[in-house]
Amino acid sequence: DIQMTQSPSSLSASVGDRVTITCQASQDITNSLNWYQQKPGKAPKLLIYAASNLETGVPSRFSGSGSVTHFTFTISSLQPEDIATYYCQHYDNLPYTFGQGTKLEIK
Amino acid sequence: QVQLVQSGAEVKKPGSSVKVSCKASGGTFNNYAVNWVRQAPGQGLEWVGGIIPMFDTTRYAAKFQGRVSLSADDFMTTAYMALSGLSSEDTAVYYCATVAGGRFRYWGQGTLVIVSS
Repeated sequence: DIQMTQSPSSLSASVGDRVTITCQASQDITNSLNWYQQKPGKAPKLLIYAASNLETGVPSRFSGSGSVTHFTFTISSLQPEDIATYYCQHYDNLPYTFGQGTKLEIK
Repeated sequence: QVQLVQSGAEVKKPGSSVKVSCKASGGTFNNYAVNWVRQAPGQGLEWVGGIIPMFDTTRYAAKFQGRVSLSADDFMTTAYMALSGLSSEDTAVYYCATVAGGRFRYWGQGTLVIVSS
């Protein structure tokens, strides 16, 4: 199984800050990586697919980059409504696996 | 767009089984795979398995093989996840989601399954 290692596990930032989360795959997954946002008590929401493509309707302050084994998720200017836990997920093959999550809090 | 509506919370005894449904509102699963993901309290997301209703093909995570069964009705509007041999470790919120091209795009609201004696 492909292991997805996400860091940091938690992050505290101020409104307006640039926030970056990384995700490392245990083997080459080309660009087969998605990013999700999950708010408490809610289902995850797809933000970024195929490493760098913004899902329809998602604000442009969210972006993703990377390939092979190293991926980055960025919020260019943190907003209060971005408080959530963020997960990466690979789909290179089965089983799909998720990173352990990054809990984002407002400083 | 497809909306997924899941069945309500369940409380089960250890050793018993549970069956959770996931109904597509405003469409069918015709062009999608339906996958199931669970989330234990305070924990991350764990893939359980998936089904392509059009072809009735299933794939399961090794951890659940032999205990989980995914199915869908003939109209491809409702998908089901049955999990047997429940233990306290199966206490979690179970989500269904439509998957195309590896993207978990549309999600159900989640079904809480509590396993307790």
